[in-house]
Amino acid sequence: GAVVSQHPSRVICKSGTSVKIECRSLDFQATTMFWYRQFPKQSLMLMATSNEGSKATYEQGVEKDKFLINHASLTLSTLTVTSAHPEDSSFYICSARRGGPNTGELFFGEGSRLTVL
Amino acid sequence: LAKTTQPISMDSYEGQEVNITCSHNNIATNDYITWYQQFPSQGPRFIIQGYKTKVTNEVASLFIPADRKSSTLSLPRVSLSDTAVYYCLVGDVSSGSARQLTFGSGTQLTVLP
Repeated sequence: GAVVSQHPSRVICKSGTSVKIECRSLDFQATTMFWYRQFPKQSLMLMATSNEGSKATYEQGVEKDKFLINHASLTLSTLTVTSAHPEDSSFYICSARRGGPNTGELFFGEGSRLTVL
Repeated sequence: LAKTTQPISMDSYEGQEVNITCSHNNIATNDYITWYQQFPSQGPRFIIQGYKTKVTNEVASLFIPADRKSSTLSLPRVSLSDTAVYYCLVGDVSSGSARQLTFGSGTQLTVLP
């Protein structure tokens, strides 16, 4: 079964509104979670690294004021797309690494498809 | 970061063995090779991971030559449900940063009846 879960799986919103996407690790604690964005027919692009109890680390070109990340607990990270516009429509995917520092399996959520009208 | 190169697409028929090769010429000593499968509108799913030689699990085999500059994912007897995009990722899995695991373009495998 899924070990990383995202909610909602699909969301449609009006331009200018904010949308929150949740990412949960279901049976393990994740001090670090990752957020990706994927446009149609393209690969996954890392947006930011979410760190529990501290500020997220954003990749170059990703606006941190637009894509707010909060990692308030060891099992939950949230991505809020603020003042969404049609160009923010995309498939957002989170992931988390299970186990200690020498365990390499990265689990991905089911993804959340955002459509901004 | 080790850059990966894969074929953009491959076609196969049901029941055949499929081999997808990934080139990673600048792989580092601490890097592992991980393959993921992604269906449309779903998150990637872990398939297999290896460091050198051969690794086999219930769904695939991973062949890594001695120089580790490439790797081959082998899917035995594919079915229509194996149609998906397959990603080869190379990176230091002991690192806490996903930055070490960069997604390349992936290979779109289409299994035909």
